[in-house]
Amino acid sequence: EAEVAQSPRYKITEKSQAVAFWCDPISGHATLYWYRQILGQGPELLVQFQDESVVDDSQLPKDRFSAERLKGVDSTLKIQPAELGDSAMYLCASSPGGDGWSSPLHFGNGTRLTVT
Amino acid sequence: GESVGLHLPTLSVQEGDNSIINCAYSNSASDYFIWYKQESGKGPQFIIDIRSNMDKRQGQRVTVLLNKTVKHLSLQIAATQPGDSAVYFCAEKSGANNLFFGTGTRLTVIP
Repeated sequence: EAEVAQSPRYKITEKSQAVAFWCDPISGHATLYWYRQILGQGPELLVQFQDESVVDDSQLPKDRFSAERLKGVDSTLKIQPAELGDSAMYLCASSPGGDGWSSPLHFGNGTRLTVT
Repeated sequence: GESVGLHLPTLSVQEGDNSIINCAYSNSASDYFIWYKQESGKGPQFIIDIRSNMDKRQGQRVTVLLNKTVKHLSLQIAATQPGDSAVYFCAEKSGANNLFFGTGTRLTVIP
């Protein structure tokens, strides 16, 4: 079964440093999402792409977070500078998109970020 | 704003018994609901979904019930197994809007 690939699995960084996470969605999935999940809570959307375009980044802290999906396939999420409160699991998900608003999101196994 | 909440944060069941995980939602416009299972260190895994034009849907050992009148969703797991131990999230969506997740319920299966 096709999977959403994410790397790295774990990342430890010092505050004020820059970090980047990578995601490769399921082949053919037009819609890609980045979620942040704080321990003990449900995932919260950071940004949504439809192909290479951002369709929702209203919850993305744009002063320090950026995301891109230049060719409409894989995506990178960056944090610069990292803060202690950014420690969380960063999840990528994809879905067929288009008219498939009622299709489930498929998640990767995430990147666990620890900021020290 | 929208909120999706769960009645119980933890649930313990005996192996072989049936499990019922409940979820309340507040947005009456929500028309699509999904249950996810999340094991430690992994991403959420799709279990089953249901659209608002249905009130029941069955999968393999799982059943989702939707009561739109009281805005309540439940996940029933038959013959619960140790491998079912995980955190279960309900999530809801309204049209093309984003998927909102609840806090989750931790299911522990006692052998």
